[in-house]
Amino acid sequence: SALTQPASVSGSPGQSITISCTGTSSDVGGYHYVSWYQQHPGKAPKLMIYDVDNRPSGVSSRFSGSKSGNTASLSISGLQAEDEADYYCNSYASSRTVVFGGGTKLTVL
Amino acid sequence: QVQLQEPGPRLVKPSETLSLTCTVSGGSISSYYWTWIRQPPGKGLEWIGCVSTTGSTIYNPSLKSRVTVSLETSKNQFSLEVTSVTSADTALYYCARGRHWFDPWGQGTLVTVSS
Repeated sequence: SALTQPASVSGSPGQSITISCTGTSSDVGGYHYVSWYQQHPGKAPKLMIYDVDNRPSGVSSRFSGSKSGNTASLSISGLQAEDEADYYCNSYASSRTVVFGGGTKLTVL
Repeated sequence: QVQLQEPGPRLVKPSETLSLTCTVSGGSISSYYWTWIRQPPGKGLEWIGCVSTTGSTIYNPSLKSRVTVSLETSKNQFSLEVTSVTSADTALYYCARGRHWFDPWGQGTLVTVSS
């Protein structure tokens, strides 16, 4: 089953927001393999966080990831207009497959 | 750096087979896993399956009976086949590098299933 994300979140420039990604002990809770992607309209997804809390080279330090139990989180600090996008989480699962979240639309007010 | 290139948009008739190839440049396909992911219009991402450098594959259980992912090492390409397509298979199909996190991604190929 897909991981559960809020459909939308919003924040004002400069503020911090957090997007949650809830799964089960068979996926998010069972492995250190959660990643996050940013997708702007008409563009391919971009990797923002991998293995729960690792940031690829070139990704702003305003983006951070964490996990507690069966829920992973993506935090964005110092919100900027360019952060407005859809965000997806994914996790490795016990069936050796991969499952994605339904996506969260971030609006910068 | 590694780049993934996908073909242009495709129109496939219902019940036929969808075939896509992803070309890898700037690096060898003989490392890493290689993955296909799709996104129906206006919807979220769905993992389809992946192939390893040895050719072993893992598929989404919901698509397993209709999907084949294969490696063409000599051409630095990997491919996707989906048989017996229906309108539910209409989506943007992405190729990507990786096993459980994906980077980079191709630009995506729009596949429309329609008679």
